[in-house]
Amino acid sequence: DTAVSQTPKYLVTQMGNDKSIKCEQNLGHDTMYWYKQDSKKFLKIMFSYNNKELIINETVPNRFSPKSPDKAHLNLHINSLELGDSAVYFCASSPRDSEQFFGPGTRLTVL
Amino acid sequence: GNSVTQMEGPVTLSEEAFLTINCTYTATGYPSLFWYVQYPGEGLQLLLKATKADDKGSNKGFEATYRKETTSFHLEKGSVQVSDSAVYFCALSDQGGGADGLTFGKGTHLIIQP
Repeated sequence: DTAVSQTPKYLVTQMGNDKSIKCEQNLGHDTMYWYKQDSKKFLKIMFSYNNKELIINETVPNRFSPKSPDKAHLNLHINSLELGDSAVYFCASSPRDSEQFFGPGTRLTVL
Repeated sequence: GNSVTQMEGPVTLSEEAFLTINCTYTATGYPSLFWYVQYPGEGLQLLLKATKADDKGSNKGFEATYRKETTSFHLEKGSVQVSDSAVYFCALSDQGGGADGLTFGKGTHLIIQP
């Protein structure tokens, strides 16, 4: 199936830990993104990558770092996890000048 | 900066009722406009889009018209079904949704009762 996939779907961890969320797209798109959805369902862009170059970096703590090993992958690394990082994280991709396609989301719970 | 304002729910309707979810936006330039739908436990799916003024996007019985004069992109459906129950997000992009991130509204939770 052609899609945007994320792993894991659920991630439960302790405060202070370091974790990663992986994202892969097999759609051949140029740009990939990470969004955060809070408990009230509000979605906010965190990062986007175009051909392995960071385009957008909103006011996100530097504990969050995107890593793109190739055009089809954009992983999200989070250091020193805090309670407030608990949210659903969505990966997305898009071809140039077109709509975005979203992954199924990763629900992160920090205890 | 860009912003999207949409009515917050939950919006509860009976099956076969007429649906309107209001969406207005503020943007520099000429944004593209989108409606995304999120079913429970799933990611976001594009429902429809419009890329220039007076364009009408439509899909699955839903419609929305890009109104530049009122900076609006209201979502409508003539007869809703229980399966339409979901959270609906209005969104905009300055660059056609491509290299730029999307700016989302806060989402409208729609509940359709049989």
